[in-house]
Amino acid sequence: QSALTQPPSASGSPGQSVTISCTGTSSDVGSYNYVSWYQQHAGKAPKLMIYEVTKRPSGVPDRFSGSKSGNTASLTVSGLQAEDEADYYCSSFAVGKEVFGTGTKVTVL
Amino acid sequence: QLQLQESGPGLVKPSETLSLTCTVSGGSINSNHYWGWLRQPPGKGLEWIGSTYYSANTYYNPSLKSRVTISVDSSKNQFSLELRSVTAADTAVYYCAKSPPGGSAAYDYWGQGTLVTVSS
Repeated sequence: QSALTQPPSASGSPGQSVTISCTGTSSDVGSYNYVSWYQQHAGKAPKLMIYEVTKRPSGVPDRFSGSKSGNTASLTVSGLQAEDEADYYCSSFAVGKEVFGTGTKVTVL
Repeated sequence: QLQLQESGPGLVKPSETLSLTCTVSGGSINSNHYWGWLRQPPGKGLEWIGSTYYSANTYYNPSLKSRVTISVDSSKNQFSLELRSVTAADTAVYYCAKSPPGGSAAYDYWGQGTLVTVSS
């Protein structure tokens, strides 16, 4: 199965913003508003940060926001903090399956 | 507070069957949520294995469908994963997880994960 495409890495200084892209196709990201974003620290389980493109679960800071345009979804982290340094994965619904992105390592400089 | 906990062997021989159980505490498995299995090979990304909804509807990753079964034991508030004919490529940390109400193809509660190694 084809994974969604994410940049391998992204970085920013504390207080800055970083945006991660997630590119799929018209069969997944482009057709459904079921795009999610997960944060994963080393050795830990993933944590849901965004679901249904823009919704934040309870407890997730509003510094995290999601959007989508066509076949590409994006996660923006504003006001970067040291604890935001982690791997981030997107995922999308597609007919009969759920597909994940390749992952992006975010470094806080 | 909802908690999920995976259990099962950490070592499985090639060609045998990997069996894991997820015990749900702090909430009922008979609820408006999808219950899923996902995995992550060491150093690699996440992969969705499959999910089940009210025990009646179960969905599998097409690439694994011929080898996977997900089942629910409501009396024990558990759901299970069977992966048959395993190879070294099935070595991974396996996670069980719960979706928000109705699904959303997302998972808001996760178990801690359990490493399963396929080796003779």
